[in-house]
Amino acid sequence: GAVVSQHPSRVICKSGTSVKIECRSLDFQATTMFWYRQFPKQSLMLMATSNEGSKATYEQGVEKDKFLINHASLTLSTLTVTSAHPEDSSFYICSASQPGVNIQYFGAGTRLSVL
Amino acid sequence: AQKITQTQPGMFVQEKEAVTLDCTYDTSDPSYGLFWYKQPSSGEMIFLIYQGSYDQQNATEGRYSLNFQKARKSANLVISASQLGDSAMYFCAMREGFVYKLSFGAGTTVTVRA
Repeated sequence: GAVVSQHPSRVICKSGTSVKIECRSLDFQATTMFWYRQFPKQSLMLMATSNEGSKATYEQGVEKDKFLINHASLTLSTLTVTSAHPEDSSFYICSASQPGVNIQYFGAGTRLSVL
Repeated sequence: AQKITQTQPGMFVQEKEAVTLDCTYDTSDPSYGLFWYKQPSSGEMIFLIYQGSYDQQNATEGRYSLNFQKARKSANLVISASQLGDSAMYFCAMREGFVYKLSFGAGTTVTVRA
């Protein structure tokens, strides 16, 4: 299947700092990528849809100023957690699908811990 | 209303036996797709199998098969000949229409016993 790379896999930061997470489609071009958040032993919650060359579409209740999404190229989307606080600690995971292909492939996820 | 319902929080299965994970869905869109993903403790989401709403036959991928009952709106995953490496959380998900975003169920944790 298609390969999606996510970096970093784990990050620990101090409260108030910003953290950037990258999501790359390695062997295909992705006009759309998705960002999810997952709490321990819970399901994935869609945060936003990242569209190449345009603004991201955020799900209801997700603060767009808190979670900045940039999709500047067909192979890269970034999620920046701005001024992170302990309540932002979570597992963040991205996905992408090839145009015309139904299957979404996921990155390995990023475990964020805010101290 | 929940779009995807997985009613089994956790299941135990003996190695080499088959296990069925339940998934029911709710949509009014005639065009939709159903997916199963596996999430081991490492966190990655591994795609297992896909069933389109217009597919006539049940999908199969190796030891995975999807029991698609359209009238009942169910898409159960069957894992045959369970292996210890199958121990993980399993998620059922749905795409509606031509919108690519997925709705996920709550997940089922499968533990395979030797």
